[in-house]
Amino acid sequence: AQRVTQPEKLLSVFKGAPVELKCNYSYSGSPELFWYVQYSRQRLQLLLRHISRESIKGFTADLNKGETSFHLKKPFAQEEDSAMYYCASRDTGGFKTIFGAGTRLFVKA
Amino acid sequence: DAGVTQSPTHLIKTRGQHVTLRCSPISGHKSVSWYQQVLGQGPQFIFQYYEKEERGRGNFPDRFSARQFPNYSSELNVNALLLGDSALYLCASSGRTGGVDGYTFGSGTRLTVV
Repeated sequence: AQRVTQPEKLLSVFKGAPVELKCNYSYSGSPELFWYVQYSRQRLQLLLRHISRESIKGFTADLNKGETSFHLKKPFAQEEDSAMYYCASRDTGGFKTIFGAGTRLFVKA
Repeated sequence: DAGVTQSPTHLIKTRGQHVTLRCSPISGHKSVSWYQQVLGQGPQFIFQYYEKEERGRGNFPDRFSARQFPNYSSELNVNALLLGDSALYLCASSGRTGGVDGYTFGSGTRLTVV
């Protein structure tokens, strides 16, 4: 079955430090992968898609098919990055997107 | 555009009752998906509707049902409520099926079953 795993429930880093939020997926085909973010008191919102190969708010994510990973990275964390981050996977041709359990990122001053 | 709107924002129901939750997608979006989010977990897929047809169903009992109307708004119905149905119910709108371009989420309906 399609599954998304985010091994860390909480990640705490200092401002200016690099940050990496881990995501692993299990799917035999070629999934479409996403990162969603939820800031305090805001709606869940799309951060980036692997298919776009974009950098949003300084975040990037690279799909590693060999390791079935899609880790989210930022070289220098900012306090405003503190939020809940969800990795999600959609099976190509399918009709649902599966979410991981989420990682709470806390950036300390 | 008000974005994805959900109603009500909160409600409290008693075990055994039924509930109807409503969602209006972004104008022009034809796909609506429903998710259940229990505290401490990620959103769990319930249903996806596209062009008024059910296109996907998650591992939820038959007590859960949904429909999509000609204007693409949607309702989620839950019958015979259980305490375990207490959760945040999220509606997600997308232009294409399955969230292929990513979802736009509503703010959710917080359901408490007592």
